[in-house]
Amino acid sequence: DIEMTQSPSTLSASVGDRVTITCRASQSISTWLAWYQQKPGKAPKLLICKASSLESGVPSRFSGSGSGTEFTLTISSLQPDDFATYYCQQYTSYSSTFGQGTKLEIK
Amino acid sequence: EVQLVESGGGLVQPGGSLRLSCAVSGFTVSSNSMSWVRQAPGKGLQWASTSFGGGTIHYADSVKGRFTISRDNSKNTLYLHMNSLRAEDTAVYYCVRLRDWAFDYWGQGTLVTVSS
Repeated sequence: DIEMTQSPSTLSASVGDRVTITCRASQSISTWLAWYQQKPGKAPKLLICKASSLESGVPSRFSGSGSGTEFTLTISSLQPDDFATYYCQQYTSYSSTFGQGTKLEIK
Repeated sequence: EVQLVESGGGLVQPGGSLRLSCAVSGFTVSSNSMSWVRQAPGKGLQWASTSFGGGTIHYADSVKGRFTISRDNSKNTLYLHMNSLRAEDTAVYYCVRLRDWAFDYWGQGTLVTVSS
């Protein structure tokens, strides 16, 4: 199975900050990479698919980039609603795997 | 409006069985690929199984041989039949739609607890 490794595991930031979360795949996944946001007690929400395609209704401050084995999720100016846990996910080679998650906390 | 509503979770003893259901509205299960994703308490997300619209099925190694995914197109419902349950299967199970190799619609989840 392809392993997905996110960094950092925890990120402390302030409202208005620009933050970047990195996701690395153990082998190339082209651009078949998605990003999710999850808040406590809620189901995850899809933010970005195909590495950089923003889902409808997702604020433009979220952006994704990368291909192959290295990907990033960037939030250009943090808003109070953005403090949550973020996961990357791939689906190739007959299975899907998620990163371990990045918890974005208020500094 | 799209809705995925899971049911069937609960407390089961190790070695027991359970069937989860996911009633879908807003799109047809028969023409979409559907998956189950689970999350153990306080842990991350783990994919369990996918049923593709064309009939192909994938399972995670951790559930292969014990879980069976199926669908009833007449009821627009997805199922997960779980046998030989273990403590490590304890989790919230989410029913999700797969589109462009990402999970775009999620249910609210149903909790399965495996304990004696």
